[in-house]
Order: sequence, then C-alpha cells, then structure tokens
Amino acid sequence: GAGVSQSPRYKVAKRGQDVALRCDPISGHVSLFWYQQALGQGPEFLTYFQNEAQLDKSGLPSDRFFAERPEGSVSTLKIQRTQQEDSAVYLCASSSLAGRRDGYTFGSGTRLTVV
Amino acid sequence: AQRVTQPEKLLSVFKGAPVELKCNYSYSGSPELFWYVQYSRQRLQLLLRHISRESIKGFTADLNKGETSFHLKKPFAQEEDSAMYYCALSRGGGSNYKLTFGKGTLLTVNP
Repeated sequence: GAGVSQSPRYKVAKRGQDVALRCDPISGHVSLFWYQQALGQGPEFLTYFQNEAQLDKSGLPSDRFFAERPEGSVSTLKIQRTQQEDSAVYLCASSSLAGRRDGYTFGSGTRLTVV
Repeated sequence: AQRVTQPEKLLSVFKGAPVELKCNYSYSGSPELFWYVQYSRQRLQLLLRHISRESIKGFTADLNKGETSFHLKKPFAQEEDSAMYYCALSRGGGSNYKLTFGKGTLLTVNP
C-alpha cells in the first residue's frame, strides 16, 4: 500500500471491554513497531516485530496487552479488560530495514478512549 | 535508562524570526538523535537525524555531546513550520531500533 494503514481511527470502549487494533504496514516491510502516545506525551515504545517474530515486547505495560503478526504482514494489538489508563493514541510504524529506526513510516494511529 | 527532555511545551514566534526548539538528553553511551514533526492532521514523520548532518526545510540540528543537547534551529521561520516537533533518541548496539521520544514542542509561527 501507499502507507501504513491503521484501523479503526477511533475506538471508544467501556471499561473492561476487549479491543483489537489493526495495522497494515507498507507491503514488504520487514520491521513493525507499536507505540503508545498518551495525551500530552511523546510516543512510547511497546513492541517490535521482525517479520512474524516478536523480538521485543519490553514496552507492553501489562499482560493485558498482546500483539501478534502471524504472517509477517498485518499486525494486531489486543488489549484485554481495558482500563481508563489505556486511553491513548496507538501508533504503528514499519520499516523496510531489519532493526533500523531511521526508516520508520508511521501510521495515523488509532485513538482509544476508555469510558 | 535514556531520557529526552524538551523544556518548552509551546513556542510562538513571528514569521521571519529565528526559531530554536530545545532538546536535551541523558544517555551514558553514544546515542543517535532525531527530530520528528507532526503537521496538523498528518502523521508523524522524520524531519532530520544527526548522523546525516543535513538541512531539511531550512532546519538544522547539531549534536553537542558536551551539553547533551540536540537543538533544532531555523534562521527564518515560515508559517508552514507550525507543527508539533518531537526530539527522539536511539541507543547504539542491538537495541537501536527503539526510539525514546520527548514530550514534544508545539511551534506556532504567526503571520
């Protein structure tokens, strides 16, 4: 595709509900990243995939957060039993280079509001 | 752990005036520094990185290891420079895919 596509753009969830956020990276991009951006903050790293392998999940804030990329292309970030502190913009980025941070292309993000 | 500090949440200048967006970092190793920009209703995009020593849209940034700073400068601001600017740091070595961002500075260039 022309860019990194994320869906939905906006999601309102009731506290305790499970949500799934989708990221379609640029076709052929090896690396995929998820970041969380709370209001008034910069993006914070969540997790990194190289193809289908999740090489780093050190930024996931709790075991309620789970990410997958089963076929090395589309990725899903799942949040179980959402809490109000999960409200943020979730950014996906992809890169054609393995493990390189300067080739990032970011998506527009999914704004999650937990009420 | 590494940290990036952008001391100004908001910065307002007039068109044609010089602008400097401050960024300080803390990291004991040799970092790589970046500036990202987000224009209104657009996605976050890379503006420049210190290793390439380039000027993009008239902006430059010099890494000062003694002062641990990477300030972004432009001699004559334009209205289209109005945006959110984020300074980011990447460690060297095996974890160099991970970016640590500052909280950002919202630049407004007034006509």
